[in-house]
Amino acid sequence: QKEVEQDPGPLSVPEGAIVSLNCTYSNSAFQYFMWYRQYSRKGPELLMYTYSSGNKEDGRFTAQVDKSSKYISLFIRDSQPSDSATYLCAMSLEFGNEKLTFGTGTRLTIIP
Amino acid sequence: DAGITQSPRHKVTETGTPVTLRCHQTENHRYMYWYRQDPGHGLRLIHYSYGVKDTDKGEVSDGYSVSRSKTEDFLLTLESATSSQTSVYFCAIGTGNTIYFGEGSWLTVV
Repeated sequence: QKEVEQDPGPLSVPEGAIVSLNCTYSNSAFQYFMWYRQYSRKGPELLMYTYSSGNKEDGRFTAQVDKSSKYISLFIRDSQPSDSATYLCAMSLEFGNEKLTFGTGTRLTIIP
Repeated sequence: DAGITQSPRHKVTETGTPVTLRCHQTENHRYMYWYRQDPGHGLRLIHYSYGVKDTDKGEVSDGYSVSRSKTEDFLLTLESATSSQTSVYFCAIGTGNTIYFGEGSWLTVV
């Protein structure tokens, strides 16, 4: 069993819909949680960074962490075609970034 | 733009030949990383560096070596390339609470 599980998709939704992307993990020691967006043939770029349980909002994006369930989510409101990408969750045990553990990524397509 | 340059961006090489990928940063960050990305496996850490001449192994280090003789450069070497090392390789820099990735190097071993 992988430490971090992420549904690979693909996921297709119409423009304007709310998108929910999720990861589950097995190591309860993870404390820092991140979401990266990766466009085709590009490097991943950091979208959201959260510490421990709770919600964090940034524009149309909301990251949610539920440590009791070992479950994290990324919500995208008012989805746009430009949101079409692969979304990767990542997590780490401590502050600083060595040895991030990544999910395999969910490919998302927003249909105009 | 995080100031990371990877070279070469694309390479095709033959099994058994040595290959070196270069990562260059312009922002003087202490931590640098090499990841590989494969379908079904996601991003996996190969090696990382926490300073000049200070390196350590990651999750999938077998068959790879690294060197960092200058703060700005982090080299990844495949001593004798194998087909299982066909992958996309990403260099990254750590800034304390974020990681920035380069654009990737596509390596095909035939």
